[in-house]
Amino acid sequence: ILNVEQSPQSLHVQEGDSTNFTCSFPSSNFYALHWYRWETAKSPEALFVMTLNGDEKKKGRISATLNTKEGYSYLYIKGSQPEDSATYLCAFEPGTYKYIFGTGTRLKVLA
Amino acid sequence: EPEVTQTPSHQVTQMGQEVILRCVPISNHLYFYWYRQILGQKVEFLVSFYNNEISEKSEIFDDQFSVERPDGSNFTLKIRSTKLEDSAMYFCASRDRGSNQPQHFGDGTRLSIL
Repeated sequence: ILNVEQSPQSLHVQEGDSTNFTCSFPSSNFYALHWYRWETAKSPEALFVMTLNGDEKKKGRISATLNTKEGYSYLYIKGSQPEDSATYLCAFEPGTYKYIFGTGTRLKVLA
Repeated sequence: EPEVTQTPSHQVTQMGQEVILRCVPISNHLYFYWYRQILGQKVEFLVSFYNNEISEKSEIFDDQFSVERPDGSNFTLKIRSTKLEDSAMYFCASRDRGSNQPQHFGDGTRLSIL
């Protein structure tokens, strides 16, 4: 059974703090790793598609790195803002196009 | 920006009844998916659909479940005889052709079985 874990499960930070979360996934059968931002009552929004070991992607204040050999990805948010409050989901894609999701990290940014 | 739409947003059904959840994927997408999330649990893969047939299904997707793309725009999930444990949020997703494309998700349908 392929298992994807995220940590921490939830996180409260002050506005302006930088933060990071971890996604651990199987290091075999890797095709891609996806990060999504998911606000309550909305659909998950795609942030990054990561495919190559050592990949680093950036979108504004959010960035992500990928290590396929050891099976982890980090998501970083620099200078957190209240509008960054959401659940951040990673999804492991093992080459059959389906996703295996982690539990998500719930981020709350306090003003 | 084009989006995946799902209807209804909330469906309440008696146990044993049939239910159909509807999705309109993004128009030029070729790959379609259903996922579900039981309250407090991870989002789980149910089924993927490509070229008018199921390409993969999970062990959850048993004979009570079926999918259809009846008219080239809608993508439906049918549960023939609902059980209490089918209560969950059901998400539809679609994906464009080409490698490294993300799946795009709808807002979900909350299914409550009484």
